[in-house]
Amino acid sequence: AQSVSQHNHHVILSEAASLELGCNYSYGGTVNLFWYVQYPGQHLQLLLKYFSGDPLVKGIKGFEAEFIKSKFSFNLRKPSVQWSDTAEYFCAVNQISGANNLFFGTGTRLTVIP
Amino acid sequence: DTAVSQTPKYLVTQMGNDKSIKCEQNLGHDTMYWYKQDSKKFLKIMFSYNNKELIINETVPNRFSPKSPDKAHLNLHINSLELGDSAVYFCASSHALAGYNEQFFGPGTRLTVL
Repeated sequence: AQSVSQHNHHVILSEAASLELGCNYSYGGTVNLFWYVQYPGQHLQLLLKYFSGDPLVKGIKGFEAEFIKSKFSFNLRKPSVQWSDTAEYFCAVNQISGANNLFFGTGTRLTVIP
Repeated sequence: DTAVSQTPKYLVTQMGNDKSIKCEQNLGHDTMYWYKQDSKKFLKIMFSYNNKELIINETVPNRFSPKSPDKAHLNLHINSLELGDSAVYFCASSHALAGYNEQFFGPGTRLTVL
């Protein structure tokens, strides 16, 4: 079965600091990769996704992520965070050969201090 | 013009009761899902429905039963509620079942069992 690891449980940054959140997965086959964000009291929203092609994908709100197949990683980055980025961030993976089942990491809480 | 909606948003009930959570999507998707988010924010797939057929049934208790009256609805019925059922339940939908499809999430239903 898939497993998705997010090693940072809670990250606290000051505004304008750079962000990198780690995500690693265990499945050896071909996968699709996603980052979702959950703002306080809101539902999950897609930040970005990787299906194929350029391993560096850009999403909304200045976020980007890089797929490194050899490391089974899909880390999320943002060069300069804002207070409004305070949220819970979830990495998710599914297998293209299987059902569209999303396997989520445990999430990383980001707190940005103004 | 909400894409995926759930009712109720909050549900507080006693142990042993039976309750339902409703989900509707107006995106024209043909696959819908239920996820459970526990107190540690971990999200796990419970069910998915494609063309009114249950195609994935993860190891959830049979007290939980998804019901889909039509393609736009996937309701979650829970019998004999237990304390451990307290969680946030998210509905989601996507096109088809293949792994290339982004899932869109509802706002969640916070279930509290007393």
